Parts: sequence; structure tokens; C-alpha cells
Amino acid sequence: GAVVSQHPSWVICKSGTSVKIECRSLDFQATTMFWYRQFPKQSLMLMATSNEGSKATYEQGVEKDKFLINHASLTLSTLTVTSAHPEDSSFYICSATPSASGSSYEQYFGPGTRLTVT
Amino acid sequence: GQNIDQPTEMTATEGAIVQINCTYQTSGFNGLFWYQQHAGEAPTFLSYNVLDGLEEKGRFSSFLSRSKGYSYLLLKELQMKDSASYLCARTGGFKTIFGAGTRLFVKA
Repeated sequence: GAVVSQHPSWVICKSGTSVKIECRSLDFQATTMFWYRQFPKQSLMLMATSNEGSKATYEQGVEKDKFLINHASLTLSTLTVTSAHPEDSSFYICSATPSASGSSYEQYFGPGTRLTVT
Repeated sequence: GQNIDQPTEMTATEGAIVQINCTYQTSGFNGLFWYQQHAGEAPTFLSYNVLDGLEEKGRFSSFLSRSKGYSYLLLKELQMKDSASYLCARTGGFKTIFGAGTRLFVKA
């Protein structure tokens, strides 16, 4: 089956530092990956759509200069939270759509990364 | 927003049947996902409906009415492990937008 991994699974960082989260599709190529954020007891909020070889598309209200997305290969997208603040503490989840998929909505989720900013 | 509405919480008894409803905005609609999410974990796929009607997969079934902007997830023979959040998500415009989720508590 299609497997997506994320690294790290959890991270604690100090306020003002930057944190990079990786999302990898392990057994398929993914032209498109999505980054979501989920606060406790809330649903997934789409942050941005990451397309291999091009700039990410950010949702309204998401600061592109704060949440840097790089999708340099067909199996890897990274999300860097720059100058992290405690309010950025959240569960970050990525998903990937296989390039070979006939549906742009077929997506597989990574296990998530829990970020805590102190 | 995408105006996806689903109940916040539901409680049901082990062995029973529960129906979780979801309504959504119909403009630009393509299809409707249901995901299960246990606390602290990523969502897992349950179903994806594009056409009207009921689709059954074992203990879980999903229904869609495109004209009414309505879907439901039906869980039969509830088990304790079914206690989780159930997320309704609509697709359209190459994006998937999630509802707030319904937390289901299954009691003995």
C-alpha cells in the first residue's frame, strides 16, 4: 500500500527557533502533497498545497514567509516553521497524492508531527 | 469556508448502530470523504462517495445525496475500538476541506 512517513514524529523547540518537518512518500511518487495543521479537539485545517518543482499554494490566512514549503523531489516535501512561537504548537500532518493516480483526491496521510514550542 | 457541518459529539452503546450526518455546501462539489481519527494519530480512510447512494464496506456504510448536500456514515455492530473522531471532508477545486469532526464515544 501507499505509505507516507513524517519526520520527526514529535519535536520540542524554543520560541524564536526554526523547525523543519519532512514528509516522504515511501513507495510512490507524489507530484502533490498537502500540509495540514490540527489543534487539539479541532479538525484538520489545510495550510498549503505543495507541488513538486513549483511554489506552494497557501490557504488564506497562512503566512508563506513563516511556513516555508519546499517540494524538491517527487517523494519529499518539507515544511519549515520559522521563528516559532508557542501558538504554533500543533499537530502537523501531511498527505500525498500519487502521481499515477487517476483522481486528484486520492491521498494518503502521514502519521503526523507534534510540535511543541516552549 | 466550505460550510461543512457535522455533530460535535455522539454517544452510542457497544453492539448498536450509529449514524453520523454531514451537510456541506454543494457549489464546486466533487466528492465526499469519511475518515476515522484516533486521538494523536493521523486520519485513516474509510470511504469516498462521488455518486448518489449507499456504499457498504463491512460494518461501515456511507451515503451521499449530491442534490441535498448531505452524507452520512453508518456504523453497525459498534465496538469499543470505534471510539474515535469521524471526519467528513468534501473535495472540489483540487482541494479537500475537512469538517470539524464528530467525536464518537462507544460505551459498554
